[in-house]
Amino acid sequence: NAGVTQTPKFQVLKTGQSMTLQCAQDMNHEYMSWYRQDPGMGLRLIHYSVGAGITDQGEVPNGYNVSRSTTEDFPLRLLSAAPSQTSVYFCASRGTGGNQPQHFGDGTRLSIL
Amino acid sequence: GDSVTQMEGPVTLSEEAFLTINCTYTATGYPSLFWYVQYPGEGLQLLLKATKADDKGSNKGFEATYRKETTSFHLEKGSVQVSDSAVYFCALSDGSGGYQKVTFGIGTKLQVIP
Repeated sequence: NAGVTQTPKFQVLKTGQSMTLQCAQDMNHEYMSWYRQDPGMGLRLIHYSVGAGITDQGEVPNGYNVSRSTTEDFPLRLLSAAPSQTSVYFCASRGTGGNQPQHFGDGTRLSIL
Repeated sequence: GDSVTQMEGPVTLSEEAFLTINCTYTATGYPSLFWYVQYPGEGLQLLLKATKADDKGSNKGFEATYRKETTSFHLEKGSVQVSDSAVYFCALSDGSGGYQKVTFGIGTKLQVIP
């Protein structure tokens, strides 16, 4: 029972490099989200998707792109990494309905030098 | 907009002490309320939830009651263990139709010492 799987677990990039954080879920959830977690700031929503082909911006979308070609996968792309994007990134999925809980991956710890 | 307020901590308790972590919220609709727990190096996982006023969520000895009149959802446990050391997040999902965004509190770090 895999749930939400994120890869890689750790990554170090240089400023200006690009990369893609992978996220996959096996629960057939329609809703998927990307968050970043920073000390003293809790979780902030980057982008979210309500189904294949449909994405929207969250609180802090600048510098990130997403796409949702399948129900299972929701990759997050950093276009040109900046030190301010050093953070822990979490992918989450949930069923439709406001009382459905989020299911989180174990996170990707990203450092930008 | 919606918001969730909780203290950041850290909260330091001795083993077997009583735990309360306060959570208050503001929401425009009729939200569902959640507590999530995050152990070191892991993602968040659901601890308990309540979906309407006066509901009590409970799990692993933790409890929280949805209080609409005080807009609160305080987390309690009668006797904490070292293994409860983690970060606890209060969250709400505004059930006002369409995509219900989830709003998280800042997270409260709990340290339980033997």
